[in-house]
Amino acid sequence: DAKTTQPTSMDCAEGRAANLPCNHSTISGNEYVYWYRQIHSQGPQYIIHGLKNNETNEMASLIITEDRKSSTLILPHATLRDTAVYYCIVRPTQGGSEKLVFGKGTKLTVNP
Amino acid sequence: DVKVTQSSRYLVKRTGEKVFLECVQDMDHENMFWYRQDPGLGLRLIYFSYDVKMKEKGDIPEGYSVSREKKERFSLILESASTNQTSMYLCASTSPRDRSFYEQYFGPGTRLTVT
Repeated sequence: DAKTTQPTSMDCAEGRAANLPCNHSTISGNEYVYWYRQIHSQGPQYIIHGLKNNETNEMASLIITEDRKSSTLILPHATLRDTAVYYCIVRPTQGGSEKLVFGKGTKLTVNP
Repeated sequence: DVKVTQSSRYLVKRTGEKVFLECVQDMDHENMFWYRQDPGLGLRLIYFSYDVKMKEKGDIPEGYSVSREKKERFSLILESASTNQTSMYLCASTSPRDRSFYEQYFGPGTRLTVT
């Protein structure tokens, strides 16, 4: 079972920031938070990951709360091409397989 | 750029047929995965392989088998296709050489319809 909880859907206006929340209250101390997205008719694509510090790359920013029980993915200036399903994933690490467990994700719709 | 390719984007097969879905990656990745994706259920892991000739069952292996004879190629086999195997099938690959960074690279998917 997925170890994360995300809203089913969200809307965002083009050019505005999209903030996608994720709850992962049972996360272990050595588990990372990963975000992937899946644009319609394509395979999932890696966005960003983090352990406990906030992270930023060319695609997005990841804010992880101090207790690590939740995080927020931020797309600073959403475009229509950012319309996709966004998956928040906690990576199983030691002792398990290296698979990623995908939940149902958040469908983000960016509106013109 | 890493490239993961799948043999077909769309496939239509009849019930009872043996179906082969092929996946090839060009980055010398050790790990390869097969998922299926269904509306409302998200992605579910069918099988994965962490080396040539090695395989492990995922969450929903029933009705499927796999083959990994070469490092770059991972095949998913439906021995006798059934209508409940109509789905989108996604292949992915990754390398465990840097365990702090775990990005799975996905192929474009094969949409299989079993009639």
